[in-house]
Amino acid sequence: KQEVTQIPAALSVPEGENLVLNCSFTDSAIYNLQWFRQDPGKGLTSLLLIQSSQREQTSGRLNASLDKSSGRSTLYIAASQPGDSATYLCALILTGGGNKLTFGTGTQLKVEL
Amino acid sequence: NAGVTQTPKFRVLKTGQSMTLLCAQDMNHEYMYWYRQDPGMGLRLIHYSVGEGTTAKGEVPDGYNVSRLKKQNFLLGLESAAPSQTSVYFCASTGTSGSPYNEQFFGPGTRLTVL
Repeated sequence: KQEVTQIPAALSVPEGENLVLNCSFTDSAIYNLQWFRQDPGKGLTSLLLIQSSQREQTSGRLNASLDKSSGRSTLYIAASQPGDSATYLCALILTGGGNKLTFGTGTQLKVEL
Repeated sequence: NAGVTQTPKFRVLKTGQSMTLLCAQDMNHEYMYWYRQDPGMGLRLIHYSVGEGTTAKGEVPDGYNVSRLKKQNFLLGLESAAPSQTSVYFCASTGTSGSPYNEQFFGPGTRLTVL
């Protein structure tokens, strides 16, 4: 069974700092990987999707990388802002039917003034 | 485009009562999903559908039923609610064409409390 782990579980940084969130998975037979953010009491907002044939994706201050051989993905946030405070989740779709997501445990990020 | 919408947003039930959660999407997506989110457990898949008229079990299907009579709607039913079903329920959908395909879009959630 695919296991997805995100470390650290919580992170607090000062505004302006660059930071990296980590996502590890045990089964390299993935179809793609998606990063989400979730604000308290809200739904999930898709940030980036990396297909298995890709190594990275970028959107604004966000960059996500994927290394299937080592079972890792990272989400890099440049010049962090208080508005980036949220829980960040990575989720995998394994090869096979249904396009079902397996979610990581999440990293709760707080960016302080 | 409203994206993915869920009805209701909040609900309180007594043990043994039944209810139906409605999910609607206007993106012409083939695939739809129901997840529940619990503290310390993360998001877990309840049921999903790969097309109109088809449904399949996910990781935690017990106590729930689903139906996909129309492509744009996916219903989640609780026939006899139990306190263990207190959770936040999310619906999601994804298509198989366009770029980036397979990207899942989520609704705002339904917060359900079973007393």
